[in-house]
Amino acid sequence: GAVVSQHPSWVICKSGTSVKIECRSLDFQATTMFWYRQFPKQSLMLMATSNEGSKATYEQGVEKDKFLINHASLTLSTLTVTSAHPEDSSFYICSARPWGNEQYFGPGTRLTVT
Amino acid sequence: QKEVEQDPGPLSVPEGAIVSLNCTYSNSAFQYFMWYRQYSRKGPELLMYTYSSGNKEDGRFTAQVDKSSKYISLFIRDSQPSDSATYLCAMSAWNTGGFKTIFGAGTRLFVKA
Repeated sequence: GAVVSQHPSWVICKSGTSVKIECRSLDFQATTMFWYRQFPKQSLMLMATSNEGSKATYEQGVEKDKFLINHASLTLSTLTVTSAHPEDSSFYICSARPWGNEQYFGPGTRLTVT
Repeated sequence: QKEVEQDPGPLSVPEGAIVSLNCTYSNSAFQYFMWYRQYSRKGPELLMYTYSSGNKEDGRFTAQVDKSSKYISLFIRDSQPSDSATYLCAMSAWNTGGFKTIFGAGTRLFVKA
């Protein structure tokens, strides 16, 4: 149990375009999902906490208008990188908390902006 | 001072060795402690989850928490090349801003055949 999926696993886009990443909890409902960003050989950086039915809570320094988060249902959260630039290239990982306090992570999405 | 300190390594050991991975923390409010394993270009996988001081064992893995010293460890017995990965410690607490989880920087482990 506690499986989280992400789609796509890898995406290449041109500078100035927008990219949507989906995060799904497959066998549980998650009222809270988290979005992280990870640069090579670095740890996870929390971008925002996504709560079903309400606005996401963004960490300091994360641009709300650039990283749009929608938590439309108890099993789906989406992250849209708007007007992507090469510096947005990174590994984006979502996680969900099904019960208790532990988090389960998705496999990650590698974004490359050219 | 970071809330969670973890030596990034890399740590290189021969196959069969006992591996000890550690994290220290400064916030005594942390109540829940986790260890994740992350292979290259993959999402972290939850290995161990504990919420009290003491030891918790699962197969070749033992998680140890010492709240008085603010120190947690993960031991891997009979290490295998497939254990080569980055290991992240994480700890959580409820505060006025909600439920927060802080991750360590991760320790890169290489197990040589």
